[in-house]
Formats: sequence, C-alpha cells, structure tokens
Amino acid sequence: GALVYQYPRRTICKSGTSMRMECQAVGFQATSVAWYRQSPQKTFELIALSTVNSAIKYEQNFTQEKFPISHPNLSFSSMTVLNAYLEDRGLYLCGARSTGGVAETLYFGSGTRLTVL
Amino acid sequence: GEQVEQLPSILRVQEGSSASINCTYENSASNYFPWYKQEPGENPKLIIDIRSNMERKQTQGLIVLLDKKAKRFSLHITDTQPGDSAMYFCAASGTNSAGNKLTFGIGTRVLVRP
Repeated sequence: GALVYQYPRRTICKSGTSMRMECQAVGFQATSVAWYRQSPQKTFELIALSTVNSAIKYEQNFTQEKFPISHPNLSFSSMTVLNAYLEDRGLYLCGARSTGGVAETLYFGSGTRLTVL
Repeated sequence: GEQVEQLPSILRVQEGSSASINCTYENSASNYFPWYKQEPGENPKLIIDIRSNMERKQTQGLIVLLDKKAKRFSLHITDTQPGDSAMYFCAASGTNSAGNKLTFGIGTRVLVRP
C-alpha cells in the first residue's frame, strides 16, 4: 500500500537555528507534495505545494526564504525551517498525492514535531 | 480563499451512541472531501472520503454525507467506542493561486465515555 515516511519524528532546536525534515513516499509516485503546519491548538495550515515539473507555490505568510523546499524526484521531498523561532513550533506534516489532481487521496507522513527553545 | 467551518469543536458522547460532525465549505468547485482522525501525538490518518459525484458513503461504522447544494458535508460515527476518542478533521479540496490544495476545518475533539 501507499506509505509516506517522514523524519525526524521529533526535533528540538535553539532559537535562530535551522532544521531540515524529509519526506519519502513508498509504493507510489508522489507527483504532488504538500507541506502543512499544525500549530498548537490550531488546524493545518498549508505552507506550500510542490508539483513535479512545476514551480513550488507558497501560501500567503510562508516564503521560500523561510521554508525552502526540495522535490528532486517522485519519491522524496525535504523542507527546511530557517532561523526557527518560537512561533515556528508545531507539527509539520508532508502530504503526498500520486497525481497532481485534487481528487486523489492525500497520504500524510508521521509528522515532524518541532520544539524551539 | 477557501474556508471550511467545522462544528462542534468538542463532542462528548456515551459509548454505543452515535457522534456527528458537520462541516461547510465555500468553494462550489470543491470536489473531494476527506476526513482525518488524529490521536494524541500521532499524525492524522485518512478514515473516509467522499467525492462530489456521491451523496453518501459508508464504511466500518462511519457514514459521510455530502449536500453539494448546501455546501455541507458530515461525518457520522455509529456505535461509538472508547477507541473513537480522538481529534477529527474535515477537509475540502479547492484551487487557489497556490494550485490544488486541501483546506482543513478547525477540528472536533470527540470524547467517548465508557
């Protein structure tokens, strides 16, 4: 079946430092990868949507300069949180689809829980 | 952009009874509506979804209904068990300047009392 592995599961970083998280699709080709953040007591905010052979599109309030994303092939994506501060803490999730279409199932990774000290 | 309203925020039910969560969306072009269950400290897991060409779908004690005219969809958990206690999120597909995306509701905390 389709699986999405995400690592690390948990990470702690000092304020002002950066951390990278990775997302790997197994059993299907992730032509579309969405990165979300779930802040404490909040729902999921879309950070950016990455579709193979298209430019990565960031949502309002999120920028490439802060959250650079790499999506080099159909099974792997990574995102870095640069200069992390307290407001960046939360659960970061990658969701991968097997096509670029809207109506395909989004499979989530296990999430990376970021704590900023 | 797309907004998805989800109610209630907290739902307390007695074991064996049913639980219902309601969501509304704004974008009439939305055509895919998944529901996710998230247990404490875990990632959200897809439990059921419905597409716009259907009005009802049922699987393993879960029923989802979709009313496209009213732009409303709902999840019904029949015969609730303690293991159904979790956060539940509805979502709707939509398009915006960022391309196709899922917009999530705020979540409903379901608490099943034994």
